[in-house]
Amino acid sequence: SQTIHQWPATLVQPVGSPLSLECTVEGTSNPNLYWYRQAAGRGLQLLFYSVGIGQISSEVPQNLSASRPQDRQFILSSKKLLLSDSGFYLCAWSSRGSGANVLTFGAGSRLTVL
Amino acid sequence: DAKTTQPPSMDCAEGRAANLPCNHSTISGNEYVYWYRQIHSQGPQYIIHGLKNNETNEMASLIITEDRKSSTLILPHATLRDTAVYYCIVSVRGTSYGKLTFGQGTILTVHP
Repeated sequence: SQTIHQWPATLVQPVGSPLSLECTVEGTSNPNLYWYRQAAGRGLQLLFYSVGIGQISSEVPQNLSASRPQDRQFILSSKKLLLSDSGFYLCAWSSRGSGANVLTFGAGSRLTVL
Repeated sequence: DAKTTQPPSMDCAEGRAANLPCNHSTISGNEYVYWYRQIHSQGPQYIIHGLKNNETNEMASLIITEDRKSSTLILPHATLRDTAVYYCIVSVRGTSYGKLTFGQGTILTVHP
């Protein structure tokens, strides 16, 4: 069966520090991968998606970047965090074609920027 | 993608059916209705989806009106663990990637 791992689960970072969140998927190959963010009391916002190694699409301009160095690995990064980067970050995967809208989410990473 | 309208909150007694409505009056012919839920501090969980026929799985049933302008998610025997935010989303199926727009959803509270 497929599983998705996301870490770290929680982190507190000072403003201006770098960020790296990692996500890996097991039990499937060639998945679509996604990064969503949920600010406190708000809905989910799609940040990035990837349909293959090295292929990253950004949905909104921001202080973050994403990379996909391997088929089942998706990394969210920032060089210098802002206060507004605080939130709940969720990685997800889906298959292609008819299953593309059936997303499986990870447990999330809660980021607090102070 | 078509927009959806959901009530902000609903209550349900444990053991009773929870019926969560969703309006999607501008839905296109090739758009499906998807339901997800998010339990507090967890990632969203896929529940069910459909085009025009009623659908049922181990989690829930989805009833879509004949004109497809609205739908209802039914949890037949709600438990306390079903307390969550429920999202109704419409999107074209079969694209190369999933591009789901999560709104505010309906906060379902199941009480003893």
